[in-house]
Amino acid sequence: DIQMTQSPSSLSASVGDRVTITCRANQTISSFLNWYQQKPKKAPKLLIFSATNLGSGVPSRFIGSGSGTDFSLTISPLQPEDFATYYCQQSSSTLFTFGPGTKVDVK
Amino acid sequence: QVQLVESGGGVVQPGGSLRLSCATSGFTFDDYGMHWVRQAPGKGLEWVAVISSDGDHKHYSGSVKGRFTLSRDNSKNTLYLQMSSLRAEDTAVYYCAKDQRAAAGTFDHWGQGTLVTVSS
Repeated sequence: DIQMTQSPSSLSASVGDRVTITCRANQTISSFLNWYQQKPKKAPKLLIFSATNLGSGVPSRFIGSGSGTDFSLTISPLQPEDFATYYCQQSSSTLFTFGPGTKVDVK
Repeated sequence: QVQLVESGGGVVQPGGSLRLSCATSGFTFDDYGMHWVRQAPGKGLEWVAVISSDGDHKHYSGSVKGRFTLSRDNSKNTLYLQMSSLRAEDTAVYYCAKDQRAAAGTFDHWGQGTLVTVSS
């Protein structure tokens, strides 16, 4: 199975900040990398697909980058509704796997 | 608009069985692959299984292979997950998710989830 890691596991930030979350795969996955946002007690929401493409209705302050094994999600500027947990997920192998998540909370 | 509504969750004893359903609307169901993703209490997301748009191809995570069976009824726009030999570690909220394509592994719409609790 392809293993996904994320860093940091959590971070504290303020509205208006630029926030970057990184995701790494233990083998190359080309651009088969997606990002999801999950708020407490809610279903996840697709933010970015294929490493760089915005999901439907997702604001342009969410930016995905990377390819191969190293990826990042940047949120700039951070808005009040962006405090949530973010997961990366690889879609290169049929045994789809998620990263452990990064929680973004209020500083 | 796309809607996915899970049902069938509940409390079941270890070793027991349960069948989850996911009723869908707002899209052409038999054009898309469908998945189950679960989340144990306080934990991250874990992909469980995928079924192709025509139902002919299925893949399962190692943690459920041989115990869970995925199926779909394209005439009813409904996805099913038959779970057997349940264990405490299967306790989770189970989400059904629509694939962005046939079975590409990008989950573009999710249901609200249904809670399965395995406990004696």
